[in-house]
Amino acid sequence: GEDVEQSLFLSVREGDSSVINCTYTDSSSTYLYWYKQEPGAGLQLLTYIFSNMDMKQDQRLTVLLNKKDKHLSLRIADTQTGDSAIYFCAETNQAGTALIFGKGTTLSVSS
Amino acid sequence: NAGVTQTPKFRILKIGQSMTLQCTQDMNHNYMYWYRQDPGMGLKLIYYSVGAGITDKGEVPNGYNVSRSTTEDFPLRLELAAPSQTSVYFCASRNPSYEQYFGPGTRLTVT
Repeated sequence: GEDVEQSLFLSVREGDSSVINCTYTDSSSTYLYWYKQEPGAGLQLLTYIFSNMDMKQDQRLTVLLNKKDKHLSLRIADTQTGDSAIYFCAETNQAGTALIFGKGTTLSVSS
Repeated sequence: NAGVTQTPKFRILKIGQSMTLQCTQDMNHNYMYWYRQDPGMGLKLIYYSVGAGITDKGEVPNGYNVSRSTTEDFPLRLELAAPSQTSVYFCASRNPSYEQYFGPGTRLTVT
């Protein structure tokens, strides 16, 4: 079935780059997404990539997609303490009607 | 433009009680969703709707009901609350570009 896997925790120092990884199972996914959730808040769409792209850059964020390995990554350059949050990877389901989320990666940034 | 709004923010229910979680969006999106989020488990889809008058089950629909009489509103009903329904509930809507927008969540405790 459809599934999205992420590592649960990542700890970095302020100013370093963070790389959050995700693997997915459905090769027919049209879009793949990264969401950010701060404590006590809803999910905020960070960025997404269309399945025919390899890379997308948006300011400090770089998304890399390896369709052969079904691997998606989110790189945050110059990580700040305000980037501390849970990051969710998501793919569209086969019907294209809903998203399937990973369990989330908690990013902890220390100064 | 308020986006997706949810009420209430918090609620404590006794086992067997009923309640309705309200969700409204002002972006004229056809697609709307209800998710539940349990610690360390990501988001699970409860129900979704592709437009007024049309709803469908997600991954974990048991114990819940929904209706969609208007484009704006998508209430979620719990008929006989059980401790297993203690969770944080998120409503979301999606635009034609597949971008999903989330509400701030309702934290529900059933005791």
